[in-house]
Amino acid sequence: QSALTQPASVSGSPGQSITISCSGTSSDIGTYIYVSWYQYYPGKAPKLLIYDVTERPSGISDRFSGSKSGNTASLTISGLQAEDEADYYCCSYAGSPYVFGAGTKVTVL
Amino acid sequence: EVQLVESGGGLVRPGGSLRLSCVGSGFSFSGSWMTWVRQAPGRGPEWVANIKQDGSIKNYLDSVKGRFTIFRDNAKNSLYLQMYSLRDEDTAIYYCASNNDWRFDYWGQGALVTVSS
Repeated sequence: QSALTQPASVSGSPGQSITISCSGTSSDIGTYIYVSWYQYYPGKAPKLLIYDVTERPSGISDRFSGSKSGNTASLTISGLQAEDEADYYCCSYAGSPYVFGAGTKVTVL
Repeated sequence: EVQLVESGGGLVRPGGSLRLSCVGSGFSFSGSWMTWVRQAPGRGPEWVANIKQDGSIKNYLDSVKGRFTIFRDNAKNSLYLQMYSLRDEDTAIYYCASNNDWRFDYWGQGALVTVSS
């Protein structure tokens, strides 16, 4: 399975909205609703932000939202804050194994 | 508070072996599928293996089949990854994570495995 395709970096000013795309194929994102997004800070445990394309776990801010169209999933961060500066990875179930994206570094200007 | 703590990482020569451990607390460990995910330097995460709650089903990434074994001890809230015949390309941070309903709910901070001569 090939990795999902994400932009290497996305930036925005505080208060703005940004969207991170995650492009897959008909074997993963295009077939399954099991798309999830994770936030990574260096040296810390990764955190689940979105699961099943659009669902947020308890405790995750509603500034984070997910969507999917065809073979591409997206994560939108609204009202960008300094604390959102981190690495973000998408993941899709692909009938075992799971496949991840290569990651997007979000920079808050 | 949910915690997953990995241990057992280190430097090993190509062809060598290593066993990673992960202890969970603050959630239903015995009620959760568990997974190992790794991240090589400069690359995205890569799912490695997962195991059902009772250990009866195990799935592996093709490139580690026959070399890695995942197992668990629910009495100790512990997950393990026994790695044999290690290769340079196995160098990565290895994370354990709970894996329910096709998502990875909780993660540890990772254990670094370096395979080098």
